[in-house]
Order: sequence, then structure tokens, then C-alpha cells
Amino acid sequence: QKEVEQNSGPLSVPEGAIASLNCTYSDRGSQSFFWYRQYSGKSPELIMSIYSNGDKEDGRFTAQLNKASQYVSLLIRDSQPSDSATYLCAVTALGGSQGNLIFGKGTKLSVKP
Amino acid sequence: DAGVIQSPRHEVTEMGQEVTLRCKPISGHDYLFWYRQTMMRGLELLIYFNNNVPIDDSGMPEDRFSAKMPNASFSTLKIQPSEPRDSAVYFCASSLTSGGNEQFFGPGTRLTVL
Repeated sequence: QKEVEQNSGPLSVPEGAIASLNCTYSDRGSQSFFWYRQYSGKSPELIMSIYSNGDKEDGRFTAQLNKASQYVSLLIRDSQPSDSATYLCAVTALGGSQGNLIFGKGTKLSVKP
Repeated sequence: DAGVIQSPRHEVTEMGQEVTLRCKPISGHDYLFWYRQTMMRGLELLIYFNNNVPIDDSGMPEDRFSAKMPNASFSTLKIQPSEPRDSAVYFCASSLTSGGNEQFFGPGTRLTVL
């Protein structure tokens, strides 16, 4: 059974702090990794993608990938109350260089002013 | 581009009724996905299409669910007969063949079966 595991939270951080969200996956064949943000009552919105080991930075967001440990993380620097949402980790299924993703259940982040 | 379009946005129906959800993917996208999201089970893939052909329907919960994609710009998800346990938010998403599987989601349909 292919799985993507995330801590459901809630993760609570003060405004201006770094929020660290983690995700592990079971399928060693996965090639592509994504972070989606979902506000309450809204649809998931893609915020980061990462395909190779290491770090990828985009503004206040940094995605980190370690394929050997089957671990992907998302760091949010200078967290803002507007970052409060559920963050979904998604991973390609085996052989899925095209095709479907497996989603974790998400980590709920709360940024306190 | 307008993004993925879904209709209706909200649907309230009674048990036993037929429900049809509609989706228009982003123009030029080759893949279309139907998901269901609940608090208990999270985001579940129901079925996905590539170039209008169903590729994997193993997530469709039972025969009451069916999906079609008659052309590149339109897909339907039908539930007949509907049951209260089908109450959920149903999302449609689409992606390009290339681009590493980046999927773009529609606004969803919130279905309530009484």
C-alpha cells in the first residue's frame, strides 16, 4: 500500500517564526514531490514542487527532499497569519512520471499574531 | 486561462437520487482527475483520465459511481443512487502530460445527501 504520512497537527507557531512541515513516503520509486496549501473551504493550491535531492527555495518557502530517507519537508520563513491553512504533501505513485499523485492527509498550520 | 471549472458548487439531494457533477479542465491539459475529500479519509483519488481515456478507476468506491469524459473539455462524475455516506467535497483536477504531474484543482462541489 503506497502511503504518504504527515503529522495532522495542529502545528502552532508565532508570527515571524519558521514553520517546519514534514512528510514521509513509502514508495521508493516516486520521482516528483509537491506541497499544496488548502485554506478552509477552498481547493488545494500548488505552492511548491521538487524533483531532486536538496533544497528548493521560492520566496519564503523552502522545500527539502531526501530520497534516501524518503522524506520531504516544507519550511515557511517569517510565518504570517495568512499562512494558516492545511498543507498537503503529494508524491507520484510508482512509475508515475506522468499520472496520479498520492496525497497525505495534511498538516494544519496555525500562525498566531 | 479560467482554471478548472466545476459545477454545481453545492448540491443537496435526498438519498436514492441521481447526482451528476461536472468538470471542465484547463485547456490543453491531457490528464483529468476526480477526487473526494472527507475529514476522515482526506483526499482520495477516484478515477483519472488521460486523453479522455480512463486509466485507473480503482478508487471508485462501488458501482454506484461512474465517470465519463466524452471530449477533452468535459467530464462528469455520476452517483446513482446516492447515499448519505457519499456526502463529501468532490474535486476535479487537471495536469499537462509534461511538467512533473503538477495538478491544478477546481473549486470543488460540496455534496450533501440527506
